[in-house]
Amino acid sequence: DAGVTQSPTHLIKTRGQQVTLRCSPISGHKSVSWYQQVLGQGPQFIFQYYEKEERGRGNFPDRFSARQFPNYSSELNVNALLLGDSALYLCASSLGTGRLRWNTEAFFGQGTRLTVV
Amino acid sequence: AQSVTQLGSHVSVSEGALVLLRCNYSSSVPPYLFWYVQYPNQGLQLLLKYTTGATLVKGINGFEAEFKKSETSFHLTKPSAHMSDAAEYFCAVRVNYGGSQGNLIFGKGTKLSVKP
Repeated sequence: DAGVTQSPTHLIKTRGQQVTLRCSPISGHKSVSWYQQVLGQGPQFIFQYYEKEERGRGNFPDRFSARQFPNYSSELNVNALLLGDSALYLCASSLGTGRLRWNTEAFFGQGTRLTVV
Repeated sequence: AQSVTQLGSHVSVSEGALVLLRCNYSSSVPPYLFWYVQYPNQGLQLLLKYTTGATLVKGINGFEAEFKKSETSFHLTKPSAHMSDAAEYFCAVRVNYGGSQGNLIFGKGTKLSVKP
């Protein structure tokens, strides 16, 4: 079975531009979360989506947005890029939320390396 | 609030030596704790997790961790390091309240180097 797939793997953008990152979860997984990992730091939670609805949001500005599609894939959008948005963006999928959430392992993709110049 | 602190941003051991990576957590409720490994230019792979039950948790690749409530610790150990263990290791706690419920708070990571 394919794991979590993210595209593109690498991306270079200019300040002020907009970017869209894509994630396909493991087959059967309905929950997708996004994390930002700045160089030298641990990942930080951005969003969680389940059944196309936002179920959680981290402490990120409104320039960051996301959505989940009927096939459970997801996109992360970042507008008005800043140099500080340069990071590895990780997508994680898990079976679901609700009462199963606590024992649901998150599987991570290999990430998209975004460089803002 | 919940948080994790990893002591030591860089640990170096010789091949065959004991690996000990330290993690302390802060949580007002019983925590769910995880260790992940990240190889260069890769995503995160789950090594092991503690939810409830036995406090000594065994994971993949010979790693294990012990949940010690009295010390608020969840240190990761491996009896004998292998060159292939060189990677960055992250301790994480699962958020169990508020808007980020169900997601993970990570420590800053510990980079493990293994010398031949």
